[in-house]
Amino acid sequence: NAGVTQTPKFRVLKTGQSMTLLCAQDMNHEYMYWYRQDPGMGLRLIHYSVGEGTTAKGEVPDGYNVSRLKKQNFLLGLESAAPSQTSVYFCASHPGADRRNQPQHFGDGTRLSIL
Amino acid sequence: AQSVTQLGSHVSVSEGALVLLRCNYSSSVPPYLFWYVQYPNQGLQLLLKYTSAATLVKGINGFEAEFKKSETSFHLTKPSAHMSDAAEYFCAVSDPTGGYQKVTFGTGTKLQVIP
Repeated sequence: NAGVTQTPKFRVLKTGQSMTLLCAQDMNHEYMYWYRQDPGMGLRLIHYSVGEGTTAKGEVPDGYNVSRLKKQNFLLGLESAAPSQTSVYFCASHPGADRRNQPQHFGDGTRLSIL
Repeated sequence: AQSVTQLGSHVSVSEGALVLLRCNYSSSVPPYLFWYVQYPNQGLQLLLKYTSAATLVKGINGFEAEFKKSETSFHLTKPSAHMSDAAEYFCAVSDPTGGYQKVTFGTGTKLQVIP
């Protein structure tokens, strides 16, 4: 029972490099989310998806892109990493509109440092 | 619009003492409310949720919270703290009428348990 799996768990990048964070869920959830967590700021929504092939911007989308080609996967891309993107990134999933009283389920996070 | 305020970024209690973590919310519609716990280097785990049923909600690990509409509060309590309760706790509010189950998180409260 894996739930939400994020890869990689840790990564160090140099400024200007690109990378993709992968999120996979095995619960057949419709909605998926990417958050970043910074000290004293809680979790802030970067992008989200309400179904396969759909994506939308959250609160802090600048510098990130996402794709959801398959229902179970949600990818977060950094095209040109900046030190301000040093953070812990969390993926979450939710069953969807027909189960609104359910919580979001979270992965264990990806710790990303940009030098 | 919805928001969450957690009073106290750090709370210290003695082992065996009462734990009280405060959460106040604002929401334009009757909300869903959640408490999550985050242990070091892990993702967020659901402690309990309020989704318009009983106002006193019991969760895992002996925690409970009471929804008080008149005070717009959803404080988390546990009668007797255990060393294993040391973690960061997040209160969150969700708009059940929203299109993508938007969740707004508080900035978190780190609980320290003193032996």
